[in-house]
Amino acid sequence: EAGVVQSPRYKIIEKKQPVAFWCNPISGHNTLYWYRQNLGQGPELLIRYENEEAVDDSQLPKDRFSAERLKGVDSTLKIQPAELGDSAVYLCASSLEDRREKLFFGSGTQLSVL
Amino acid sequence: AQKVTQAQTEISVVEKEDVTLDCVYETRDTTYYLFWYKQPPSGELVFLIRRNSFDEQNEISGRYSWNFQKSTSSFNFTITASQVVDSAVYFCALRGFQKLVFGTGTRLLVSP
Repeated sequence: EAGVVQSPRYKIIEKKQPVAFWCNPISGHNTLYWYRQNLGQGPELLIRYENEEAVDDSQLPKDRFSAERLKGVDSTLKIQPAELGDSAVYLCASSLEDRREKLFFGSGTQLSVL
Repeated sequence: AQKVTQAQTEISVVEKEDVTLDCVYETRDTTYYLFWYKQPPSGELVFLIRRNSFDEQNEISGRYSWNFQKSTSSFNFTITASQVVDSAVYFCALRGFQKLVFGTGTRLLVSP
């Protein structure tokens, strides 16, 4: 069975440019998460979806970040415009719909903003 | 508020040594879940174990063992007879009624 798939693996952009990350969760997983991991830190939640609904986006900087999960499957995270401080690894994860459930993570997208 | 503290930033051991990674948590929730994840150089976090707050029984899985002590709010992870392949960053995480919160991780370096 395929795991969580993310693309691209790496992205280098100049500040003020837009960027988008894509995630395909494990089939059957209703819950999808986007995390940001800064160098030397643990992942921090940006947004959590239950099916198509964003149930926790309190940590998402809404002035420049947006996310969508059309049809409750794939998801896209966008930054526009990117800032130098956005350089980080963006991780997507999915799980069954229950807080007991373990998360399955993708390999992440490493973003460098120059 | 929920918080996970992993005070050890980096640990270096020689192969075959035993090593313990510490995790201390804070939560006001009466029901919660604790996790350990491994992040190898490839970047993908891999689930290792889950423990709920009502189950303080320690667990052993091969060379891995976990010691959950509610009295001290700790959930420590021990690797016995470490191997080079154990080199990674290990994260402890906590989930109560809100979001899953990760610690800052402990980087384990196992040298031959």
